[in-house]
Amino acid sequence: AQSVSQHNHHVILSEAASLELGCNYSYGGTVNLFWYVQYPGQHLQLLLKYFSGDPLVKGIKGFEAEFIKSKFSFNLRKPSVQWSDTAEYFCAVISSNTGKLIFGQGTTLQVKP
Amino acid sequence: EPEVTQTPSHQVTQMGQEVILRCVPISNHLYFYWYRQILGQKVEFLVSFYNNEISEKSEIFDDQFSVERPDGSNFTLKIRSTKLEDSAMYFCASSAREGAEAFFGQGTRLTVV
Repeated sequence: AQSVSQHNHHVILSEAASLELGCNYSYGGTVNLFWYVQYPGQHLQLLLKYFSGDPLVKGIKGFEAEFIKSKFSFNLRKPSVQWSDTAEYFCAVISSNTGKLIFGQGTTLQVKP
Repeated sequence: EPEVTQTPSHQVTQMGQEVILRCVPISNHLYFYWYRQILGQKVEFLVSFYNNEISEKSEIFDDQFSVERPDGSNFTLKIRSTKLEDSAMYFCASSAREGAEAFFGQGTRLTVV
């Protein structure tokens, strides 16, 4: 079955710590990969996306993600988190076999000031 | 910046009642989606809509659910006879083409009592 897994459900960091959130997917064929963020009380916003080309993609607010095809992974990173990064983070995948976006379970990030 | 808008932001309804959730997608987008997020759970795909018809639906999207694009701008989700387990945040999304990033509305929180 097609699925997206996020390994960390709840992450607590202090400001300036580095962040890495894991995401793995199981799909055949070509995939488009996304990270969305949901700040408290707000809607889902796109952080970054990968369609093709350089597997290291940079997004808004200093986030980046690396697509590793051999590992079916698309991990999200940020070198130094801020309190304002406190939010829920969702990895999502669209495969060429289906047009629908499939989400991972989400990771709640809490950054302590 | 164009955005997806959803109304109402919060709807409380009695079990067995019909509800209609409304969405105005981004104007030049062609693909429309409904997702839901039950509290504490992942964002789940419900249905995708293109060219005035459903292109894909999940097993959640049973006969109680229907979608419509009545006037070329609104995109509605109707739940015919609500159940307690329909309580969730419902997100509308649109995208310019298949496989592209989806832009999400702020969601409608549906509470069935």
